[in-house]
Amino acid sequence: DGGITQSPKYLFRKEGQNVTLSCEQNLNHDAMYWYRQDPGQGLRLIYYSQIVNDFQKGDIAEGYSVSREKKESFPLTVTSAQKNPTAFYLCASSIIPGGFLVYGYTFGSGTRLTVV
Amino acid sequence: SQELEQSPQSLIVQEGKNLTINCTSSKTLYGLYWYKQKYGEGLIFLMMLQKGGEEKSHEKITAKLDEKKQQSSLHITASQPSHAGIYLCGADEAAGNKLTFGGGTRVLVKP
Repeated sequence: DGGITQSPKYLFRKEGQNVTLSCEQNLNHDAMYWYRQDPGQGLRLIYYSQIVNDFQKGDIAEGYSVSREKKESFPLTVTSAQKNPTAFYLCASSIIPGGFLVYGYTFGSGTRLTVV
Repeated sequence: SQELEQSPQSLIVQEGKNLTINCTSSKTLYGLYWYKQKYGEGLIFLMMLQKGGEEKSHEKITAKLDEKKQQSSLHITASQPSHAGIYLCGADEAAGNKLTFGGGTRVLVKP
């Protein structure tokens, strides 16, 4: 079955550590996205990528980094520079036929990151 | 950037009653998406609206986009416990290929 997989489901980070969240899709989607969700709030865009080896900052990119070396994979690193990383992180993907977002996103099941 | 306001932030309804959630934009919406989220899980796609005045239905859920394409509503008829969750609207900026989301509406259905 095609889908988008995030791992791990739960992640604990010590102060000052970098951690990497995995996102893999086998839907052959062109674009991939990372969002952050805080309790009682909507989703805020961290980074997105429309093609391999290219990505753009979203609204809250500070303290995060990404790579897009393969079409299927879009890992997110939460660096020690991110001062308040405790949140729920969601990865999504989409096709963009003709360069336009037409069908919306497919979401992963999320990773809950907690700083201890 | 585009801002989406959802209202109400939360609501509690008695099972069998109807409910409506609104999503309002400061700009013209080029595509409006409704998603549902169970706590601690990913988002499930419900419906997409693109044309002014468009209305779509699936089972007991109906979504509408107004003629000016700045406001959408999601209506659930005869609510059931399975309708409980967080409903989020998302919209794409013209040629931006990325979605901005509203703050979400938390729905609780009392049996």
